[in-house]
Amino acid sequence: AIQLTQSPSSLSASVGDRVTITCRASQGFSSTLAWYQQKPGKAPKLLIYDASSLESGVPSRFSGSGSGTDFTLTISSLQPEDFATYYCQQFNSYPITFGQGTRLEIK
Amino acid sequence: DVQLLESGGGLVQPGGSLRLSCAASGFTFSNYAMTWVRQAPGKGLEWVSVVSANGGNTYHADSVKGRFTISRDNSKNTLYLQMNSLRAEDTAVYFCAQGLFPRYWGQGALVTVSS
Repeated sequence: AIQLTQSPSSLSASVGDRVTITCRASQGFSSTLAWYQQKPGKAPKLLIYDASSLESGVPSRFSGSGSGTDFTLTISSLQPEDFATYYCQQFNSYPITFGQGTRLEIK
Repeated sequence: DVQLLESGGGLVQPGGSLRLSCAASGFTFSNYAMTWVRQAPGKGLEWVSVVSANGGNTYHADSVKGRFTISRDNSKNTLYLQMNSLRAEDTAVYFCAQGLFPRYWGQGALVTVSS
């Protein structure tokens, strides 16, 4: 199984900050990676798919990049509604796996 | 609008069984693979199972293999998860979702395994 390790596990930042979350895979694959945002008590929300494709309706301050074993999610200028937990997911091979999550908190 | 509505959650004793259902509407159900993802209290997301669009192919996480079975009825636009031999560690909110990297999710069904 492909293991995904996110870093950092938690992060404190301020409104307006630029934030980058990394997802490292235990074995390489092309671009079959997605990023989700989840707020407490809610279902996850798809932000990015195919590593860098922005889901419709998601603000352009979110971007994704990477291939192989290293992927990143960047938020260019944090907004108050962005404080949440973020997960990466690979759908390259079964079993599909998620990263352990990155909790983004207000500083 | 796309809607996914889970049902069938509840409290069950260890070793017991439960079947979750997910009623889909607002899209052509038979065109999409469907997925179950769970989240234990205070924990991260865990992929559970996927079924292909026509139901012919299924995959399960190692943690549930041999105990859980995913299936679908395209005539009823409904996805299922049959859960047998339930353990305390299966306690979680179970989400049904559309596709392999889901853009549409249900609201979740809570399954509690406890004596």
